[in-house]
Amino acid sequence: QSALTQPASVSGSPGQSITISCTGTSSDVGSYKLVSWYQQHPGKAPKLMIYEVSKRPSGVSNRFSGSKSGNTASLTISGLQAEDEADYYCCSYAGSSLYVFGTGTKVTVL
Amino acid sequence: QVQLQESGPGLVKPSQTLSLTCTVSGGSISSGSYYWSWIRQPAGKGLEWIGRIYTSGSTNYNPSLKSRVTISVDTSKNQFSLKLSSVTAADTAVYYCARGGVVVAEDAFDIWGQGTMVTVSS
Repeated sequence: QSALTQPASVSGSPGQSITISCTGTSSDVGSYKLVSWYQQHPGKAPKLMIYEVSKRPSGVSNRFSGSKSGNTASLTISGLQAEDEADYYCCSYAGSSLYVFGTGTKVTVL
Repeated sequence: QVQLQESGPGLVKPSQTLSLTCTVSGGSISSGSYYWSWIRQPAGKGLEWIGRIYTSGSTNYNPSLKSRVTISVDTSKNQFSLKLSSVTAADTAVYYCARGGVVVAEDAFDIWGQGTMVTVSS
């Protein structure tokens, strides 16, 4: 099972919106509404930001939103803030009780 | 609130077995609404799902590691454990334990331990 493909880096200025893509296959992202997104600051554990494609856990800012089309899921961060600078990973259920993560995207706030 | 904490040796010799334990506090590991996973991250690289266990004892493993991995649970101690055999330098990573959702936040990892660094070296 190959890792889901994410852009290595995405950047934006404060207040702007950015979108991170997560491309899989018809065996994972394309087949299930079970895509999640994680934020990871340096030296810290990942934090769940989005689950089941577009749902936000309690306490996560509504500036974070998720969507999916075909084999590609997306995470959008609106009103970009300095604290959003981190690495972001997508994850999808891939059938057969298997999970696959994305390659990771470094978000830089200019 | 529920917290997870990994523990175990930070240094393992090549060909030996890596053993880690995750202790769950603030809640019962026996809740049927969750499963318990191990995930690792080599330095500067991405996340890799290793496997999971339900408190029934049912397990699932990443096929790429399946021949070397064993995950077990001790509900009396509110802990679950990872054993990875025949380790090489490629197994050097930060190892995280995490809780996965069965009903709420289905198949998402909503709570993570802080992670523990394991280095494979002689």
